[in-house]
Amino acid sequence: EIVLTQSPGTLSLSPGERATLSCRASQSVSSSYLAWYQQKPGQAPRLLIYGASSRATGIPDRFSGSGSGTDFTLTISRLEPEDFAVYYCQQYGSSPETFGQGTKVEIK
Amino acid sequence: QLQLQESGSGLVKPSQTLSLTCAVSGGSISSGGYSWSWIRQPPGKGLEWIGYIYHSGSTYYNPSLKSRVTISVDRSKNQFSLKLSSVTAADTAVYYCARADLFCSSTSCYTDAFDIWGQGTMVTVSS
Repeated sequence: EIVLTQSPGTLSLSPGERATLSCRASQSVSSSYLAWYQQKPGQAPRLLIYGASSRATGIPDRFSGSGSGTDFTLTISRLEPEDFAVYYCQQYGSSPETFGQGTKVEIK
Repeated sequence: QLQLQESGSGLVKPSQTLSLTCAVSGGSISSGGYSWSWIRQPPGKGLEWIGYIYHSGSTYYNPSLKSRVTISVDRSKNQFSLKLSSVTAADTAVYYCARADLFCSSTSCYTDAFDIWGQGTMVTVSS
């Protein structure tokens, strides 16, 4: 099973700042089958990024994903008030599919 | 626009079987090209993939839960279901159903990220 470790656990930033979230895999993620999700309290996760760097339908271009192998990054170029949430990475290239433990982006 | 809606018992006694259904609207569960999954999230914790089913009826389960899980499809009702047996307090969670694109070659299939999710339903295991 591929273990995904996200860092930091919590990121305290102000609106307008840049957010950089990390996701490290215990072994190489096949064909960059890595996704990022955003989850707000009381809501289901929302797909942001798939294939490590492709934005899902309707996702603003301030969200970008990068990386390959075992190291992946989600970048939010300029934080909007609605971006404060918990973010999860997920690998779906190897069974069982696994998620990271999440990074909370909170208002500083 | 495809939508998913979970339903089922919100309170289950220890050692009993948890049963949930995910109704699919705005599209047919029988159309090829998709996998249909269950994912859960204990209160205040992260996400755990439980398993999925393809249009052909093939199922794949998380090894950590495989001995207790059954996912099935009811095409006549356009829905799929989860049964989790011998539940304990550790199975208390919000349960989500979700869809992912499915790609099959001549020898194997693989799924994409989860692009559509239900709103989730809370299941508590308690006597």
